[in-house]
Amino acid sequence: DAKTTQPNSMESNEEEPVHLPCNHSTISGTDYIHWYRQLPSQGPEYVIHGLTSNVNNRMASLAIAEDRKSSTLILHRATLRDAAVYYCILSSGTYKYIFGTGTRLKVLA
Amino acid sequence: EAQVTQNPRYLITVTGKKLTVTCSQNMNHEYMSWYRQDPGLGLRQIYYSMNVEVTDKGDVPEGYKVSRKEKRNFPLILESPSPNQTSLYFCASSLYFRAGVGRDTQYFGPGTRLTVL
Repeated sequence: DAKTTQPNSMESNEEEPVHLPCNHSTISGTDYIHWYRQLPSQGPEYVIHGLTSNVNNRMASLAIAEDRKSSTLILHRATLRDAAVYYCILSSGTYKYIFGTGTRLKVLA
Repeated sequence: EAQVTQNPRYLITVTGKKLTVTCSQNMNHEYMSWYRQDPGLGLRQIYYSMNVEVTDKGDVPEGYKVSRKEKRNFPLILESPSPNQTSLYFCASSLYFRAGVGRDTQYFGPGTRLTVL
């Protein structure tokens, strides 16, 4: 199963952009890249996903490297409510999900 | 309101006493899944179900059972709980899942905190 590597933690100042990296060097051609986040004391929630092209939605942007071996989740203006654990996940080619340990984002006021 | 519900939210039990954690979704989703979350280990998938009567093991299925008799319900059964099953459990569902094609968004329940003494 393809796995992802993320930094354990990151910090950002409020109102500034945040770039959360994810490495997935063993990604296969049909694997989608998904991002979820988990706010304190809640279940994970979907953020964004993509295959090859960069993607934007109301929550964030996803930038995917040309070789697809890495991706970056971009929060354009971090707020205190964005403090969470962010998970980068690949579809495994089966019906499984592999979440990993994620990146804990701390937003400083 | 579209949601995934779990019951109970909190449970303290003793070793060996069979228990069931229920999960229900009202979105007519095909795919449902159970995860456990432990400090330092992140979220790990226990079992998943692609549709009614179709289930399969995730990464950590030992000590757990599931069934999918109806589309909306996906209970997690611990026949003989042990202390190493103390954890935070999440149920999730998505509209459908097509391996190799892409996945639909998963919706997670609020979690069940289980303590086995």
